[in-house]
Amino acid sequence: DVKVTQSSRYLVKRTGEKVFLECVQDMDHENMFWYRQDPGLGLRLIYFSYDVKMKEKGDIPEGYSVSREKKERFSLILESASTNQTSMYLCASSSGYSGNTIYFGEGSWLTVV
Amino acid sequence: DAKTTQPTSMDCAEGRAANLPCNHSTISGNEYVYWYRQIHSQGPQYIIHGLKNNETNEMASLIITEDRKSSTLILPHATLRDTAVYYCISRGSGGSNYKLTFGKGTLLTVNP
Repeated sequence: DVKVTQSSRYLVKRTGEKVFLECVQDMDHENMFWYRQDPGLGLRLIYFSYDVKMKEKGDIPEGYSVSREKKERFSLILESASTNQTSMYLCASSSGYSGNTIYFGEGSWLTVV
Repeated sequence: DAKTTQPTSMDCAEGRAANLPCNHSTISGNEYVYWYRQIHSQGPQYIIHGLKNNETNEMASLIITEDRKSSTLILPHATLRDTAVYYCISRGSGGSNYKLTFGKGTLLTVNP
């Protein structure tokens, strides 16, 4: 089975802190993604990566950055956390071929106070 | 990606089959139909997907109409743990296929 593991399920951070969310997948997938999910807004893509050290902005990249130094690991960084970044963050991965299935992690609930 | 429409909610008795419909009347020829479900506070779980033919796996069956304008997800023997929001998504196979657009989905409640 595909496993996408997010390092933290629940985090509480203070405004202005730098926050790291880590994600690891064990299926040698080329593509990795970070989404956030908010009530009434559905899933929104923040960033995705199609290869090591490669990244593309999604729909809402402002306030976020990402890092992919190894194929299996994709990190989301909140440079200076703000209260409007309180959300559930979802990491996902998929292989690189057409019609590929996207698999999600369990989610990380971030509260910024 | 084509827009999909699903009922807001459905109920099902435990042990019975749950049939969840989805309309995707504007789906194009290269778009797959994907089903995910999400149990509260967890990430979306992949269930099944298909292009033209009906598909079955250990979790569910997917029936796609011949004109591909609608589909039905079937959970053959629903259990209480199948209570979740079920999302039907149509998704292309190239270009921006990473962009999953989850609508509101169907809240399936399985009752004892």
